[in-house]
Amino acid sequence: EIVLTQSPATLSLSPGEGATLSCRASPPISIYLAWYQQKPGQAPRLLIFDASNRATGIPARFSGSGSGTDFTLTISSLEPEDFAVYYCQQRHTWPLTFGPGTKVDIK
Amino acid sequence: EVQLVESGGGLVQPGGSLRLSCAASGFTFSRYWMHWVRQAPGKGLQWVAKIKVDGSEEEYVDSVKGRFTISRDNSKNSLYLQMNSLRAEDTAVYYCARGMLAPHDRFFEFWGQGTLVTVSS
Repeated sequence: EIVLTQSPATLSLSPGEGATLSCRASPPISIYLAWYQQKPGQAPRLLIFDASNRATGIPARFSGSGSGTDFTLTISSLEPEDFAVYYCQQRHTWPLTFGPGTKVDIK
Repeated sequence: EVQLVESGGGLVQPGGSLRLSCAASGFTFSRYWMHWVRQAPGKGLQWVAKIKVDGSEEEYVDSVKGRFTISRDNSKNSLYLQMNSLRAEDTAVYYCARGMLAPHDRFFEFWGQGTLVTVSS
């Protein structure tokens, strides 16, 4: 099973600041990683697929990078609606697995 | 507009059974892999099961193998999850999720609102 580790667990930032979220995979997963955003009481929303491709309708302030074992989700300037929990997920190997999540909250 | 609407959740005793349904609309259901993903209260996401476009192939997370069965009826645009021998640790919100088109069909592009399954005596 592919294990995904996310850091930090919590990121406290102010609107307008940039955010950098990390996801580490073991073993390596090429580029087969996605990022999701989840707000309280809502279903997750797909942001990024295959490490760096924005999903339909996702603002350009969200970007992804990485390959192999180390991946990054960057939010260039936080909007009020971006405060949420972010999960990474791999599609390289069954079973599909998610990371434990990073909560981005308001400082 | 893509819509996925789950139903069938509720309170069930340990060892009991439940069948979840997901009604799909707004897209050609028979073209997409479909998945179930769950989230225990206050916890993270866990992929549960997947079924290919024609129902020919299924995959499950180990913890539900032999107890859960995913199925689909393309004529009714519907996805199902039959859950037997339920355990307390199966308590979660269960989401129906649509895969992207190949080769990204293992990513979840659209999600339902979820249905809560509670396993308790």
